[in-house]
Formats: sequence, structure tokens, C-alpha cells
Amino acid sequence: DSGVTQTPKHLITATGQRVTLRCSPRSGDLSVYWYQQSLDQGLQFLIQYYNGEERAKGNILERFSAQQFPDLHSELNLSSLELGDSALYFCASSVGDLTYEQYFGPGTRLTVT
Amino acid sequence: AQSVTQLGSHVSVSEGALVLLRCNYSSSVPPYLFWYVQYPNQGLQLLLKYTSAATLVKGINGFEAEFKKSETSFHLTKPSAHMSDAAEYFCAVSRGGSSNTGKLIFGQGTTLQVKP
Repeated sequence: DSGVTQTPKHLITATGQRVTLRCSPRSGDLSVYWYQQSLDQGLQFLIQYYNGEERAKGNILERFSAQQFPDLHSELNLSSLELGDSALYFCASSVGDLTYEQYFGPGTRLTVT
Repeated sequence: AQSVTQLGSHVSVSEGALVLLRCNYSSSVPPYLFWYVQYPNQGLQLLLKYTSAATLVKGINGFEAEFKKSETSFHLTKPSAHMSDAAEYFCAVSRGGSSNTGKLIFGQGTTLQVKP
């Protein structure tokens, strides 16, 4: 158990819908990272937040957005969902913004039908 | 831009045999390198990391990796495979001290099969 929690574990929804994925980092960690894992794209970095502020952006679609709240939990919002958005979404956390040891949560499996 | 190439999407070894999973990286700045393991239906677990200290890095579960700058490689090894080592392994790179973010760039992964 890494100490990073993600909810829900599974999510099935229809095209065009909007969903919110939630992540709670390890106690004391200030950075949250979101990654997407799919069969065709592999593991891709989406976005990083550090202490409530966006720190880095990767291959994140404009239909996706994220935020980190004062209690340091983070949410990834996916809207206008397409079939291709079906993937495993991981959250990871680390102590600092440059701390390279990241701890991963169990992931949320999103299926868009 | 940084990138990681894992040679061999699938590696099969016998129990007790040497495990060798290959990773080559590309980076314009001194990299930080990582190996993660993913068991079925689980998240990623850090096996070991290289952050510009000793070039031979020891990790958990008997794994180790050696950073070779001249070969731009960071291969993962284990002297004797165990059935419980069967999983998917990912090599990852970050920009190290020259970065303002710890984001990871992952390779495509290598599935390790261990035969009895």
C-alpha cells in the first residue's frame, strides 16, 4: 500500500459525459501527478500540481482539467468523453515539487461506452 | 526531449535464471532514472532509482541496475528469478536537477514471464 488513494476504482460512462476522478496523496506529500495508461499510448504524464498550484503540463487534452485543493487532494475532470479516453488513470504523489520518488495510487479504470 | 526505449516488450525466463530487462534513454541533460514494477490490477511500485550518486543502484526484491552514461543505458537485473517477479516493468526518466518538475517519461514496458 503506497498511501495514495484514488476513487472510484472503476468508472463506466457514456460518450459525451463528464466524470471526476479523485486522488488523496500520501500524508505530508505536496505534489500530485496524474498519468494516463492506455494500450496504444502507454503511460503518459498529464499534469502536476504542487501545493495547490499547477507546476507542469504534459499531454493533457483541453477537455481535461485538474485542480489541487487546500487539503492537498486533487481531482481530474474529464469532459465530453470519447471512446479513446478509456484508460487507467493514475495519481502519484511526492514530498516536494522536485522530489523524484513518486508513489502511485491503485488507479481508476475508466471505460467509455 | 527526453525519451526511454525498453528493448523487448516480453521477456521469458525460467525460475532461478538471470533476469535482464533492457532500458536505453535519451536526454540532453543529466537524467534521473527509475524502474517501476506493476502487478496485475495494481499501481506502480518503485523498484529503484538513479539520481547521480552511485552508478550501481540496488533496489527492492533483489533487483539492481547500473547507469552507463557511455551506453545511455540503465538495464535492470536480478541474479535469480522467482515466480513472484512475473509482472510488467517500466523504465522512466526525468530531467533531474535541471528541471522544475519531477514528471516522469516512461518506456513502453516489458512484461516478465517466469516459467517454473
